[in-house]
Amino acid sequence: DAGITQSPRHKVTETGTPVTLRCHQTENHRYMYWYRQDPGHGLRLIHYSYGVKDTDKGEVSDGYSVSRSKTEDFLLTLESATSSQTSVYFCAISVTDQPQHFGDGTRLSIL
Amino acid sequence: DAKTTQPTSMDCAEGRAANLPCNHSTISGNEYVYWYRQIHSQGPQYIIHGLKNNETNEMASLIITEDRKSSTLILPHATLRDTAVYYCIVRVLTGTASKLTFGTGTRLQVTL
Repeated sequence: DAGITQSPRHKVTETGTPVTLRCHQTENHRYMYWYRQDPGHGLRLIHYSYGVKDTDKGEVSDGYSVSRSKTEDFLLTLESATSSQTSVYFCAISVTDQPQHFGDGTRLSIL
Repeated sequence: DAKTTQPTSMDCAEGRAANLPCNHSTISGNEYVYWYRQIHSQGPQYIIHGLKNNETNEMASLIITEDRKSSTLILPHATLRDTAVYYCIVRVLTGTASKLTFGTGTRLQVTL
């Protein structure tokens, strides 16, 4: 299995608080992605990174920011969490045109 | 990327072949067909991909019709562990970040 670690695995927080999710890889892959998964929607891309300090928006980026200061770490931040951001968040990595490999997810609940 | 259509759910007896269809009638010549699956609560898992030739690996076989408008993922001897949601995705390989678009997939239930 690809070396991808997501932390935390579960988190419960309150509306309006900042939240940061971490994705750590040991594969030295160039590309990293954040998705969210909600019932009835499949997976939707939030942001992705194509290198250190190089990021771009996906289809559902509003309310989220990302940072990548090292190849191995990709952080997803919710500056002020809302209940609509309750979801399961998956990180993925890839080598350009290769298939993506996913982490085990972070289950985030915002009350 | 071309749109795909998959059945919502399918059943398969353990030990039998599971044949999961995918329609991608608007596929263009440079779009690949990818299959992933997601076992309950886990991250999606890559299975196989192809362009126009049939492909086989240790997990499955991928059969793409000659006109490339549809494909079938075959799990030759399904087990209970193959119970999952299977996603068919069509996309162009651009040499840059591969932004996958997941639909709702086919829920495969393998039974005894």
